Amino acid sequence: TQLLEQSPQFLSIQEGENLTVYCNSSSVFSSLQWYRQEPGEGPVLLVTVVTGGEVKKLKRLTFQFGDARKDSSLHITAAQPGDTGLYLCAGGGKSTFGDGTTLTVKP
Amino acid sequence: ETGVTQSPTHLIKTRGQQVTLRCSSQSGHNTVSWYQQALGQGPQFIFQYYREEENGRGNFPPRFSGLQFPNYSSELNVNALELDDSALYLCASSYPGQSYEQYFGPGTRLTVT
Repeated sequence: TQLLEQSPQFLSIQEGENLTVYCNSSSVFSSLQWYRQEPGEGPVLLVTVVTGGEVKKLKRLTFQFGDARKDSSLHITAAQPGDTGLYLCAGGGKSTFGDGTTLTVKP
Repeated sequence: ETGVTQSPTHLIKTRGQQVTLRCSSQSGHNTVSWYQQALGQGPQFIFQYYREEENGRGNFPPRFSGLQFPNYSSELNVNALELDDSALYLCASSYPGQSYEQYFGPGTRLTVT
């Protein structure tokens, strides 16, 4: 069974701060997805990383896939209140999900 | 392009009852997956349907069953509801070969009393 562990579980920061959240596994994934979920809604796909060592940028969000394709990170620069939400990583054909990082950005 | 839709939005059932949840996949997607998300947790894979056939199942008992129709819409049926079945049920559609990217509906919030 492939498992994904996300850390930290909760993160509360002030607007303008930078942050990094992590997604780790002992298994190799052919690709990993990052999603953001707001309360009462379904997850929204942010990005897919496929190649070991790959870095993708989406405005203030930077996603990195580990060289061994077992881990990934999400870095947010100058966080804004609109970034508040549950950040989930997922991988595998029948998508294994981590339990997510709940991010709160205070104005 | 129409996104993934789910119905109903909310549902309250009594323990022992049966429930059917519905999902319409995104246009062009022939694969539908169902997930259960308890409060404070990530989505847990229930099963996946590809071209009307079950294409994988997670660690859920047989009282969780599903269907996919020729238009790729899908149903999730849960029999003999238990209190622990209370959760957000998510449907996601995808197209094989797109690096497992999935597009989720808004979910159905099921409460079992």
